[in-house]
Amino acid sequence: GAVVSQHPSRVICKSGTSVKIECRSLDFQATTMFWYRQFPKQSLMLMATSNEGSKATYEQGVEKDKFLINHASLTLSTLTVTSAHPEDSSFYICSAEGFGAGEDEKLFFGSGTQLSVL
Amino acid sequence: QKEVEQNSGPLSVPEGAIASLNCTYSDRGSQSFFWYRQYSGKSPELIMSIYSNGDKEDGRFTAQLNKASQYVSLLIRDSQPSDSATYLCAVNREAGNNRKLIWGLGTSLAVNP
Repeated sequence: GAVVSQHPSRVICKSGTSVKIECRSLDFQATTMFWYRQFPKQSLMLMATSNEGSKATYEQGVEKDKFLINHASLTLSTLTVTSAHPEDSSFYICSAEGFGAGEDEKLFFGSGTQLSVL
Repeated sequence: QKEVEQNSGPLSVPEGAIASLNCTYSDRGSQSFFWYRQYSGKSPELIMSIYSNGDKEDGRFTAQLNKASQYVSLLIRDSQPSDSATYLCAVNREAGNNRKLIWGLGTSLAVNP
């Protein structure tokens, strides 16, 4: 099946620093990628949808200047948490869909990034 | 009313029993329905998808959809301890390629040996 690689899997940083999370589709072209955030014992909350070559569409309540998303190629999208604070500590997950994934109506998830801001 | 509702559980069943997980949704225009399994600290993985009324079976898993009643369920037969996880119901209310899934909070399932 299609593979989505997400790095890093875990990051601990100091408050005020920026953290970049990468999401790569390894064997298919991801025309659309989704970024989610999940707090403990909560469900996935969609943060933004990004299409290759265009600006991301952010969900209501998500600060686009704080969560910078770049989808410059068909295989790579990045999420940068700028000036991270402890309340940004969460599990961040990317998912991708696109042509050549081999299966209809299926999202492929990255392995997730656990962000802890001290 | 939440858009996608699930009983948070935990649902506890003995090994070998049938586990029944339920999900209701509020948008009658919903097109596609998915069940994902999520282990603690891991990403969700797709178990089943269903698009039309009725049952869909895949191995030990059966998804049931009733659009008139706006519910979708997942049955797990011959439950195994490895099935212990959180099961997330997700609903797609938009057709087309650029989808947006609405997620339930998940039901925690514990299968006891």
